[in-house]
Formats: sequence, C-alpha cells, structure tokens
Amino acid sequence: DTGVSQDPRHKITKRGQNVTFRCDPISEHNRLYWYRQTLGQGPEFLTYFQNEAQLEKSRLLSDRFSAERPKGSFSTLEIQRTEQGDSAMYLCASSLTSEATNEKLFFGSGTQLSVL
Amino acid sequence: AQKVTQAQTEISVVEKEDVTLDCVYETRDTTYYLFWYKQPPSGELVFLIRRNSFDEQNEISGRYSWNFQKSTSSFNFTITASQVVDSAVYFCALDYTGGFKTIFGAGTRLFVKA
Repeated sequence: DTGVSQDPRHKITKRGQNVTFRCDPISEHNRLYWYRQTLGQGPEFLTYFQNEAQLEKSRLLSDRFSAERPKGSFSTLEIQRTEQGDSAMYLCASSLTSEATNEKLFFGSGTQLSVL
Repeated sequence: AQKVTQAQTEISVVEKEDVTLDCVYETRDTTYYLFWYKQPPSGELVFLIRRNSFDEQNEISGRYSWNFQKSTSSFNFTITASQVVDSAVYFCALDYTGGFKTIFGAGTRLFVKA
C-alpha cells in the first residue's frame, strides 16, 4: 500500500498528557498537511510543510501544538498538555506539486484522539 | 471572506434516485480551485474532482457530474442512479492559496437506502 499512512489510528489519553502522532506521506510527495476534523464538520487546516520547511500555520495551532518534518519525509504532530477540546480526528494529507496534480490532496485514515 | 457553504446537512434517497449536492463558495481571488471529496464510513477522504476557476465546463464521470457556475458561485455535484455504496459524507472545498491551504465545507451526509 503506497497511500498516506497514519499512526496510531486511535489514541485515548488523560487530560494533561502529551501525545504524538505520526504521518508517512506518499513517498514522492513534497507537500504535507495536517488537518483537524471534529464531528459533523469538515477538515480544518492546521499546518503545511513543503519538504522539511513548515510554511504555514493556522491560528488554530496553539503553542501546545508542534509539528515537524525533519527530513522532508514523515511528519509528527505533538500536542502537549492535552485538553478535552483537543478531542478530534487528526488527518494528514500529502500532495505533489505539479501542473497536473497541484492542490489535489491524498489523505490518510486519520488518528482519532479522545481526551478524557 | 473565503468560505464554502454546504447547506444540506443530510440527504436520504432510495437507490436509483438522482441526487444533487449543493455547494456555494466565497472568495475574492480570481484564481482558485474547487474540489469535491468523499468520506466513506472508513474515514479516509477520497478526491473526486478538481476544477480551476477558469474552466466552467461541466464534467461527467460515469454516474457523477459536476456543474460549475461562476455567476452564482456554485459548484454542485449530481449522482445519477444512486447506489448504496454512494452513502458517505461529501465535502466541497476551495483552494485560493495555490496549494497550501484548502478550505472545506461542513459536508453533506448522503444516505442511499436499498
């Protein structure tokens, strides 16, 4: 399977704990995105990487959130001191910058976070 | 403001009925892309179509067709002869940033009953 993979699929944590999610994009894709989706809503943009550079961050991404893509391949999203409001599906997507495929996103299955 | 509105929260149809999902968008930019994505119960969003702002030609792909009208800022999606496997949440989306930020509507949940 050469799609976008995310790990873990589900994460249950207690309020105040730190969590880290991983995303492996499609190998030749240079762009990687993190989105958050809550029940009954569409995905909301969190952040975007072009190769290893984080080029855009949403105001939704508070100081407790940090994302990295150290070698321009996989990415991690860490949430420190989780709050119940962080409970959501965290989606990763990747894309390839080209005339034919620009802006077309390939999504992973997401990590469902539940903060108790 | 840059915004996507999908006014229909849920639609329920019987198999073989045609169904249209509405999408209205707002943007000040003249260059932008519009998308439809499907999210089945498994959760993974699947790309269906991309349309750029300079191409108002309607598109048909099998049972799916899309109607893009800049005059009304709409990009509606029609499924002809719906099937149970079409049951999913469908999202309309807008990208005015050249590929780094896509804005999604709230989605329309489609139930197709046998």
